[in-house]
Amino acid sequence: QQQVKQSPQSLIVQKGGISIINCAYENTAFDYFPWYQQFPGKGPALLIAIRPDVSEKKEGRFTISFNKSAKQFSLHIMDSQPGDSATYFCAASKGSGGYQKVTFGTGTKLQVIP
Amino acid sequence: EADIYQTPRYLVIGTGKKITLECSQTMGHDKMYWYQQDPGMELHLIHYSYGVNSTEKGDLSSESTVSRIRTEHFPLTLESARPSHTSQYLCASSDPRGGDTEAFFGQGTRLTVV
Repeated sequence: QQQVKQSPQSLIVQKGGISIINCAYENTAFDYFPWYQQFPGKGPALLIAIRPDVSEKKEGRFTISFNKSAKQFSLHIMDSQPGDSATYFCAASKGSGGYQKVTFGTGTKLQVIP
Repeated sequence: EADIYQTPRYLVIGTGKKITLECSQTMGHDKMYWYQQDPGMELHLIHYSYGVNSTEKGDLSSESTVSRIRTEHFPLTLESARPSHTSQYLCASSDPRGGDTEAFFGQGTRLTVV
């Protein structure tokens, strides 16, 4: 079953606009929620991550909003740029110390048009 | 830039051939992973390793096998390639000593079995 559901599947945003990608999870044991950015021909790279003890984390133009009660989290890209065009994956993992398996969402292909 | 390398980047091979996809990391990470990713789709974990001589199967059943004889090396082998094995294979590693579970990905091997 899909433990992390991501939407939309694709997104087109005008340059300077706000891109919003949403994810929902089922397993309340998840305690780490990263977002990965993947450019064509490259492996995914960590963009920003959050733990459930905070409701928001901001790094530059990228912000994660986290709603623990709704089991949802979202990525907001402010002032979207053509260089942000990539596929974005939300993810969730649980556990500490030992193995921490990461479950990925299905990905959102973002295109920022000039 | 993550120090994790995959070779080859692209491979086209005939049905029935034995292949080994190489993955090496120079970060001293104990944990390593193999993911399978079809174009535009999510990542599925097929193998992971806690450390030397430790290997486990992931969420997605795979006919491939892995070995972990050295910390830095985590090769994946297909004894008899089939067209259904055509996909992109991504190797990753992470550092359990860190507070978070960032996974560093290689650039991937795009495998086509004809």
